[in-house]
Amino acid sequence: QQQVKQSPQSLIVQKGGISIINCAYENTAFDYFPWYQQFPGKGPALLIAIRPDVSEKKEGRFTISFNKSAKQFSLHIMDSQPGDSATYFCAASATGNQFYFGTGTSLTVIP
Amino acid sequence: EPEVTQTPSHQVTQMGQEVILRCVPISNHLYFYWYRQILGQKVEFLVSFYNNEISEKSEIFDDQFSVERPDGSNFTLKIRSTKLEDSAMYFCASSAGVGGQGTGELFFGEGSRLTVL
Repeated sequence: QQQVKQSPQSLIVQKGGISIINCAYENTAFDYFPWYQQFPGKGPALLIAIRPDVSEKKEGRFTISFNKSAKQFSLHIMDSQPGDSATYFCAASATGNQFYFGTGTSLTVIP
Repeated sequence: EPEVTQTPSHQVTQMGQEVILRCVPISNHLYFYWYRQILGQKVEFLVSFYNNEISEKSEIFDDQFSVERPDGSNFTLKIRSTKLEDSAMYFCASSAGVGGQGTGELFFGEGSRLTVL
């Protein structure tokens, strides 16, 4: 059973455009929702994270939108840049338990 | 900036051989993890380790796998008898806290690529 479902699998965006990646979860015990960015040959690195007590969190060009009732959260990358080209993973965790990762989204930003 | 280091970066082994992957977590972290990523696929949880014992493991982490913290700095993953399907990138991660706690951020190493022939 896949705990976290992520879409799309791949995404191509023009430079300056908005990239949107979506995730959905089932387990209402999840209380921490991070997004990880992974470049080829590297380990995932934390990009931004949110807890369910807020509906949105913004850090620079990156924003997480969180919809608790729909059990969905999404990553928005504003003014996308070629350097943002990477694989993005959403994840979810319940306090004291393992992280469950989505299947990843390969983002390509075209100059 | 503190980082998680892993060795080797790439190991090629014959099916049935034992493999040990090594990790040095960030020094003040208390929680240690191994994850696996088959090429092009999602990151899969294998095992978490705290206070010198396994705290949680997945279905993937069967009797062929074991983890150990032999000293105060290293954290190892051993695969006793490798299978072709064990070929993957193995990531070690550590955190200061657990899961959704404020310090629960996972820091990943750069991975060890295992190729089983």
